Amino acid sequence: DVKVTQSSRYLVKRTGEKVFLECVQDMDHENMFWYRQDPGLGLRLIYFSYDVKMKEKGDIPEGYSVSREKKERFSLILESASTNQTSMYLCASSSNPGTENEKLFFGSGTQLSVL
Amino acid sequence: DQQVKQNSPSLSVQEGRISILNCDYTNSMFDYFLWYKKYPAEGPTFLISISSIKDKNEDGRFTVFLNKSAKHLSLHIVPSQPGDSAVYFCAATPSSGTYKYIFGTGTRLKVLA
Repeated sequence: DVKVTQSSRYLVKRTGEKVFLECVQDMDHENMFWYRQDPGLGLRLIYFSYDVKMKEKGDIPEGYSVSREKKERFSLILESASTNQTSMYLCASSSNPGTENEKLFFGSGTQLSVL
Repeated sequence: DQQVKQNSPSLSVQEGRISILNCDYTNSMFDYFLWYKKYPAEGPTFLISISSIKDKNEDGRFTVFLNKSAKHLSLHIVPSQPGDSAVYFCAATPSSGTYKYIFGTGTRLKVLA
């Protein structure tokens, strides 16, 4: 079965801390994504990666960076956490780029609270 | 600028009746569309998709309709069941170039028993 695993379900961090959110997929997908979900705003794309060491900014990259050293792992980094980064973070990977059967597979999410 | 819009934040439907969730998009480069369902504290799960070469796709109780000229798609759930109560997101992407999925803001469906 397809699996996208996010390392933590819940995290509580202090303002100014460096935060790492880890995501691993076991489907050999080229594309991986980080979204955040906030009430009334839907899912907003932070960063995505279409290959190892390749990344592109999404719609809201400010305050975040990413790392993709291996195909199966995509990390989201909050360099200096702020309270407005309190959110549900969702990692996803996608199959069959550019084909009709392409879809995103999501992890269970990490609820991050920054105090 | 919201490229994918779900203008109804919530919808309540009686069990057994039809649920219709709507989605509008503005970017004419979008040619592949997906619907996802999300329960609280879980990741979204894929429901159904449609490419712009079709105007309808069906999978069991779920049917998606695409009206390209109106840049509008809808998800029909028939019959609705209490387990369908969740937040539904539509998403759009171009099928070439960068595979950037843009999501709507979601519609919370409540199916009343």
